[in-house]
Order: sequence, then C-alpha cells, then structure tokens
Amino acid sequence: NAGVTQTPKFQVLKTGQSMTLQCAQDMNHNSMYWYRQDPGMGLRLIYYSASEGTTDKGEVPNGYNVSRLNKREFSLRLESAAPSQTSVYFCASSEVWQLNTEAFFGQGTRLTVV
Amino acid sequence: GQQLNQSPQSMFIQEGEDVSMNCTSSSIFNTWLWYKQDPGEGPVLLIALYKAGELTSNGRLTAQFGITRKDSFLNISASIPSDVGIYFCAGLRGSQGNLIFGKGTKLSVKP
Repeated sequence: NAGVTQTPKFQVLKTGQSMTLQCAQDMNHNSMYWYRQDPGMGLRLIYYSASEGTTDKGEVPNGYNVSRLNKREFSLRLESAAPSQTSVYFCASSEVWQLNTEAFFGQGTRLTVV
Repeated sequence: GQQLNQSPQSMFIQEGEDVSMNCTSSSIFNTWLWYKQDPGEGPVLLIALYKAGELTSNGRLTAQFGITRKDSFLNISASIPSDVGIYFCAGLRGSQGNLIFGKGTKLSVKP
C-alpha cells in the first residue's frame, strides 16, 4: 500500500519552461490537494479537488493549473515556470473534503527554477 | 487570510528533556491536527483532536484541544534523537473548508 505517490522527486527548470507534477493515491480517497512549502512559511494550499470532477483554488493558485484525471490522480501544471515557484510541492489526499478527517501526504517534489 | 500562530519557531534541547509547543488563533477551530515532518519527507499525522478540552496521547506525545477552541498544545516527553524534525499544527474551522497550517516548530535534539 503506497499511499500518496508523487513524481518526480526532484526537478530543475529554466524560467519559462513548463512541467506537470504527477500525484496518485491508492487509498480510494475522494479529496486531493496540492501544497507548496517554503522556508518559514509552512504549507500553503495551491489547489484542491474536493471530489472527482471538481477543482478549486486555494490560497496561492496564481501560476498553476490542476487536473483531476480520475479518482486516483491529481496533477499540477506550471505553464511558464518562474523563480518564485522554486519550492517543495506536496500532494495530499483525504477520505472526505476535510470533514474531520486528516490528510495524508506524499514525499514531495523539490522544484528549482533557474 | 486566516492564520495559526505556532511557537516556538525552533527549539534546541538535550536528549531526555520534555518539549512543549503550541498553536493559537483568533478564530475558533473544530479540529486540530499535529503533524511531524522528517527531513526530506512529507508531513505525517501524529495526533488528531476533535473536541474542545480533549487530551490525546500517542506514545510519548500528548496533545490537547484548548477549551476556548482557539488553541492547541503538543508535548513530547523524554525526547530522543529521532524526535528531530519540524512539527506542524493544522486546524479546520468548520465541517467544510481547508486545513490551515502553522509555520512549524523545528526541533533539534542533542544526544
């Protein structure tokens, strides 16, 4: 039982390049989330998908797009990467949209934009 | 946006010492969660609290949901080197909505 799996684990991009971060969960959870973690800032929500077929903006959505491909998979896309998007990105899932249930996190993707 | 104030930001302690950290807010929360993040890993849930006044233990860890519903505390007793990491509190305001995270407490333990 892998839980939440993110790929890639590390990535270096040049400014202006695009890429997609992949996330899959095998816990049959309904809700999935993308966070970014910056030093001293804690975890900030980028986008979330409360259930299959829906996506909504979180606290810091600018510069990102998401796709809930199916119940298992939730991808995060950077269309034109900027140095300010250098961060560690975490995908998470929960059984129901934050309804008194905890989120389970992947191991993170360390992204550097030069 | 909504904020959780987590303190202290960092702690340097001797192995065997007890540790206390807390999270406060000006808003009421219905759920408090405490996570630990090891270096290079994602956060892992330690303790979940769902009722005001609730006191829950998980091994050497004890967490409490404040009576006012605006704060929560995490205590670690008899710290060991593997307790090193960043501890995050997270709160949920209502039955719908997203978790709000504190900025974390970085714990270092000297053997």
